[in-house]
Amino acid sequence: GNSVTQMEGPVTLSEEAFLTINCTYTATGYPSLFWYVQYPGEGLQLLLKATKADDKGSNKGFEATYRKETTSFHLEKGSVQVSDSAVYFCALITNTGGFKTIFGAGTRLFVKA
Amino acid sequence: NAGVTQTPKFQVLKTGQSMTLQCAQDMNHNSMYWYRQDPGMGLRLIYYSASEGTTDKGEVPNGYNVSRLNKREFSLRLESAAPSQTSVYFCASSEVLYRGANYGYTFGSGTRLTVV
Repeated sequence: GNSVTQMEGPVTLSEEAFLTINCTYTATGYPSLFWYVQYPGEGLQLLLKATKADDKGSNKGFEATYRKETTSFHLEKGSVQVSDSAVYFCALITNTGGFKTIFGAGTRLFVKA
Repeated sequence: NAGVTQTPKFQVLKTGQSMTLQCAQDMNHNSMYWYRQDPGMGLRLIYYSASEGTTDKGEVPNGYNVSRLNKREFSLRLESAAPSQTSVYFCASSEVLYRGANYGYTFGSGTRLTVV
C-alpha cells in the first residue's frame, strides 16, 4: 500500500543552522508529494508541493525535490529561524489511493535563538 | 478570511455522550475530509465527501458518522463517545479529489476533544 516515512523528531537546531528533514515514500501509480507545516495550536498549512519526478517545490526558503529513483522528498532550508519551530508533515496523493492524502507521522522542529 | 472554519475549538465529553463537530468552507470546494490527529500517528482519515451528496469511509470510520449538509458544510458526529476518541479533529477541503493532487488541501484550525 501507499505510505510515507519521516525521520523521527524532535529536531533541535540553533538559529541560522541548516535544516534537513528526511521523507521517503512507497506508492503505486504517480504520486504528488507535499510538505505541510503545523504551528502550535493551528491546523496544517500547505508549505510546498511537487507533482512529478525531478520537480522542486519551494516556499518561504524551504525546498524539496521529488526524487523518484530514491523515492524521497527531503525538506531543506539553508538558515532556520526561531519562527520555523513547528511540526512538519510529509504527504502524498496518488491516483491508486483514490486521491486521498497519506500523511507521515510528522517531525517536530525546535529552533533555539 | 476565506478558509475552513471548525466549531467548537475545544470540547470535553463524558463517555457515552454524543456530539457533532461542525465544519464549513467558503472556497467553493467540492471535496471535504475529516481527519483525526494522535501523537506519533500523523493524520488518519475518518470520512470524506468527494462531492455534495456523497460520503465514504476512510481509514478509521468506526464510531463516527458524517453528513454533507450542502456544498459548504460537512459535519462529524460521535454517537456514543469513548475515551479512545480523545484526539484533535481536523476538517479539510480541496477543489475535487483529483485536483487535490495538484493543489493540496486547506485545513481548519481543529477541534480538541477529550472524552473522560
